[in-house]
Amino acid sequence: NAGVTQTPKFRILKIGQSMTLQCAQDMNHNYMYWYRQDPGMGLKLIYYSVGAGITDKGEVPNGYNVSRSTTEDFPLRLELAAPSQTSVYFCASSYRGSGANVLTFGAGSRLTVL
Amino acid sequence: AQSVAQPEDQVNVAEGNPLTVKCTYSVSGNPYLFWYVQYPNRGLQFLLKYITGDNLVKGSYGFEAEFNKSQTSFHLKKPSALVSDSALYFCAVRDGGNTDKLIFGTGTRLQVFP
Repeated sequence: NAGVTQTPKFRILKIGQSMTLQCAQDMNHNYMYWYRQDPGMGLKLIYYSVGAGITDKGEVPNGYNVSRSTTEDFPLRLELAAPSQTSVYFCASSYRGSGANVLTFGAGSRLTVL
Repeated sequence: AQSVAQPEDQVNVAEGNPLTVKCTYSVSGNPYLFWYVQYPNRGLQFLLKYITGDNLVKGSYGFEAEFNKSQTSFHLKKPSALVSDSALYFCAVRDGGNTDKLIFGTGTRLQVFP
């Protein structure tokens, strides 16, 4: 049981380049999330999804896009990379049942934009 | 809007001594509160949560947290710190609605010295 798998772990981009961060979970979780972590800022929600075909913006969505064609996968797309997008990105998932459920996080993807 | 605050950037404690990592919250309605831990170059790991019931919540690795409604606090505690507890700790509150979206504090770095 792999949990939440993120690829790549590290990436360096030039300004204006595009890339996709991959996220996959094998726990049959219906909810998935993308967060970014910046030093001293905690984690900020970029986008989330409550099921296949349904996505919504979080707190800091500008410069990013997502899709959710399957329950398992939730890729994050950066179209025109900017230095402000240098960060560590975390994908997470949860199963919506009764009460508050726990998020399971991936190991993170460290992105540097130069 | 829901929010959490972690007033200390860093907490230093000697091994064997009790530790406290502070968190205060601001919510409308009943709070769903969480503590997560992040070890270097890893994703966040769930420690414990408060939904309702007993004000003292026990979690993983010997950690516990005390919910105090009158002081709007949810401090993380451990009776005897270990060097291996050194990590970054995040308090979080559920954002409400029909997802498990979490709003995170800025994090507190715990350093346990031998």
